[in-house]
Amino acid sequence: DTEVTQTPKHLVMGMTNKKSLKCEQHMGHRAMYWYKQKAKKPPELMFVYSYEKLSINESVPSRFSPECPNSSLLNLHLHALQPEDSALYLCASSGLADETQYFGPGTRLLVL
Amino acid sequence: SQQGEEDPQALSIQEGENATMNCSYKTSINNLQWYRQNSGRGLVHLILIRSNEREKHSGRLRVTLDTSKKSSSLLITASRAADTASYFCATAYTGGFKTIFGAGTRLFVKA
Repeated sequence: DTEVTQTPKHLVMGMTNKKSLKCEQHMGHRAMYWYKQKAKKPPELMFVYSYEKLSINESVPSRFSPECPNSSLLNLHLHALQPEDSALYLCASSGLADETQYFGPGTRLLVL
Repeated sequence: SQQGEEDPQALSIQEGENATMNCSYKTSINNLQWYRQNSGRGLVHLILIRSNEREKHSGRLRVTLDTSKKSSSLLITASRAADTASYFCATAYTGGFKTIFGAGTRLFVKA
């Protein structure tokens, strides 16, 4: 199974809402990633978890809070977002550092 | 700033023609990867070339890597309408998880 799943596919939220994005993989990968992608731009790395520990935080605002409950799951908790946070949020996983990343289909987020 | 820069930004060709995309990067890398993204969807990994490799093939894809020039190219031969997508190079810093994507090339293949 080389699939990374993400839920929900679409999310509309107000600036005062709290919501969570979920990502799951069953490939036994020990590295998991969150990326943010704006239209017609490349993905930008937000967070990396390695062996369920946060190893990279690319100076992401605290209104984004990642969580890795176990080796298969990755969450991104959202609170008090701004309209400019509207984007496609992609989750990925890889076996090791520097290796091929497998991406989920993404969650398209709209902040009103 | 982004590690990889790509050109052209956009490319429009006829079905059956070859498409070449180029990527340049700035610092030492462990490997360079190419991904494809269909409109608004997740990325699909195409090929990974390591820093000690110069050329790699996969089906209709050919990737070259020139570490002295810090550049790579992706060639798609005999293109098909289904190849229409955005193509990104991604470079992995030596020893780390940090992967930086280039700006991407938008390829449009006309049937």
